[in-house]
Amino acid sequence: DAGVTQSPTHLIKTRGQQVTLRCSPKSGHDTVSWYQQALGQGPQFIFQYYEEEERQRGNFPDRFSGHQFPNYSSELNVNALLLGDSALYLCASSLVSGPTGELFFGEGSRLTVL
Amino acid sequence: DQQVKQNSPSLSVQEGRISILNCDYTNSMFDYFLWYKKYPAEGPTFLISISSIKDKNEDGRFTVFLNKSAKHLSLHIVPSQPGDSAVYFCAATYSGAGSYQLTFGKGTKLSVIP
Repeated sequence: DAGVTQSPTHLIKTRGQQVTLRCSPKSGHDTVSWYQQALGQGPQFIFQYYEEEERQRGNFPDRFSGHQFPNYSSELNVNALLLGDSALYLCASSLVSGPTGELFFGEGSRLTVL
Repeated sequence: DQQVKQNSPSLSVQEGRISILNCDYTNSMFDYFLWYKKYPAEGPTFLISISSIKDKNEDGRFTVFLNKSAKHLSLHIVPSQPGDSAVYFCAATYSGAGSYQLTFGKGTKLSVIP
């Protein structure tokens, strides 16, 4: 049973560029959340998708956008990259009817902005 | 303003002894708390949770204690094992409708010395 898979694992971009990160949820899961983990910090909530719609959004600018596909996989897009966007981006999946807060995380995509 | 605080960045414990990891929160709306464990190059994994209607929850070697009046929770690991060496994140959420995000602390790095 495959867990949460994310791609790419590492990538380097320059300021002003755009990036797309991808996530496949754990089999059977219907909800995908994205978190940003800066160095030395805990994960910070970006947004959550369910039924192909954004259900809730954290305190992130509109440069951060996402999408969920009918097969429950998801993408995170970041436009006009800033140096401060350098971080580990974690995707987490869950069941909408599952236990509160119990998320299954992928290994993350490490983004470096130069 | 950090709503979930883990004031100890690191903790070292001898194998076989008790590890106590602490967490404080400021948001009175939080009513559900979780601990996640993270190994290097892996995503966080769910460890144990507790609802605000309880003051203790136990799962094997892991026990979480909640003191609502003090807005404080702690994770006890007894006995500690070298495989427990990891970063531990405290997280909080509101279990009511419309809240789907976890708020994480910065983490505590636990080192269990053989």
